[in-house]
Amino acid sequence: DIQMTQSPSTLSASVGDRVTITCRASQSLTSWLAWYQQKPGKAPHLLISKASNLQSGVPSRFSGSGSGTEFTLTISSLQPEDFATYYCRDYDTYFGQGTKVEIK
Amino acid sequence: EVQLVESGGGLVKPGGSLRLSCAASGISFDYAWFDWVRQAPGKGLEWVGRSKRKIDGGTIDYAAPVKGRFTISRDDSKNTLYLEINSLKTEDTAVYYCTTGVWLGQLFFDYWGQGTLVTVSS
Repeated sequence: DIQMTQSPSTLSASVGDRVTITCRASQSLTSWLAWYQQKPGKAPHLLISKASNLQSGVPSRFSGSGSGTEFTLTISSLQPEDFATYYCRDYDTYFGQGTKVEIK
Repeated sequence: EVQLVESGGGLVKPGGSLRLSCAASGISFDYAWFDWVRQAPGKGLEWVGRSKRKIDGGTIDYAAPVKGRFTISRDDSKNTLYLEINSLKTEDTAVYYCTTGVWLGQLFFDYWGQGTLVTVSS
């Protein structure tokens, strides 16, 4: 089975920082790469589909890139509402372990 | 509007069984695939399995860690997805979500229920 590995597991940053999260797949994806944001007590919210397609309503400071087995999520200027946990996912199957973005 | 409503969670003793339900509305149920995803307290999201559409063969895929104890099924006549868990372990304690997605042209829409909490404890 595919394994999705995110780095880092925790990221401390300040408002206005540029933040990058990496996701590596152990093999070629079965489908496509998704990025989710999750806040405590809430269901996950899809930010990006097919590695780089920004979902409707998601701020343009979020972007995704990558192909094959290596992908990145970038937040160009971190805002207070962006402090959350982010997950990548091979959409048909497994999630990465998550990256918690904390206030520095 | 697509709505997914999970039910059936609660407190169960280790070794017991439970059946969770996910009632869907606002979607052509028999043309949709559905996943179960769980999240243990303070932990990450874990894919449990997928019920594929009939046009995709109608098969069920399971995550490796849950194969054998978990059974996903669906009743297209009731617009309902099920997850049966047998031989419950304390590590099965989690919020269980059902989720689905729909492509409308180039746009993808992802839907999640509110989740149902399963607590396995003696």
